[in-house]
Amino acid sequence: EVQLVQSGAEVKKPGESLKISCKGSGYSFTSYWIGWVRQMPGKGLEWMGIIYPGDSDTRYSPSFQGQVTISADKSISTAYLQWSSLKASDTAMYYCARNHDAFDIWGQGTMVTVSS
Amino acid sequence: EIVLTQSPGTLSLSPGERATLSCRASQSVSSSYLAWYQQKPGQAPRLLIYGASSRATGIPDRFSGSGSGTDFTLTISRLEPEDFAVYYCQQYGSTFGPGTKVDIK
Repeated sequence: EVQLVQSGAEVKKPGESLKISCKGSGYSFTSYWIGWVRQMPGKGLEWMGIIYPGDSDTRYSPSFQGQVTISADKSISTAYLQWSSLKASDTAMYYCARNHDAFDIWGQGTMVTVSS
Repeated sequence: EIVLTQSPGTLSLSPGERATLSCRASQSVSSSYLAWYQQKPGQAPRLLIYGASSRATGIPDRFSGSGSGTDFTLTISRLEPEDFAVYYCQQYGSTFGPGTKVDIK
């Protein structure tokens, strides 16, 4: 079964760092782009960026460039989304998704809560 | 950057009725790169339509997509109870529309 499994919910304080993960299985992880999507509480979907695990080629939305870092470790079929200094406004659900004819497979989401 | 606009914001319909959702782009979008997703509360989005008109695996044929250039449409021919949800369009590798909520009248 093709699936993406994301790491669990996180509760952090403003200024802390965080790295969440997305592990692919059931397919050739290095052959498909993986994207990250933010959904703030009660709001719509926002495309953050995308990475090709085969060579780590990465593209960011202008809205998220410099705010987050997307990476991947192809040896363990895992993509990452990280922050160096979280803000309260980073509170959201974050989804990873495989890009093949659009985002065809989605992770279950990781809820990140940033609160003092 | 292309901006996607969806209308209406909310569509109130009864089961069995036909739903027509619109997605309009600020610039021409290649039809090969327009997708539609469904999201239910507490769930991840699910791909319905890719390439503007191709149904994703396992998607019932009551869902259909059409359009080209700057105007795209998702049609649900007869609403089933499980179809009441939020629908998003997306240009591949880029922005999503703001969504259309289909709720029960």
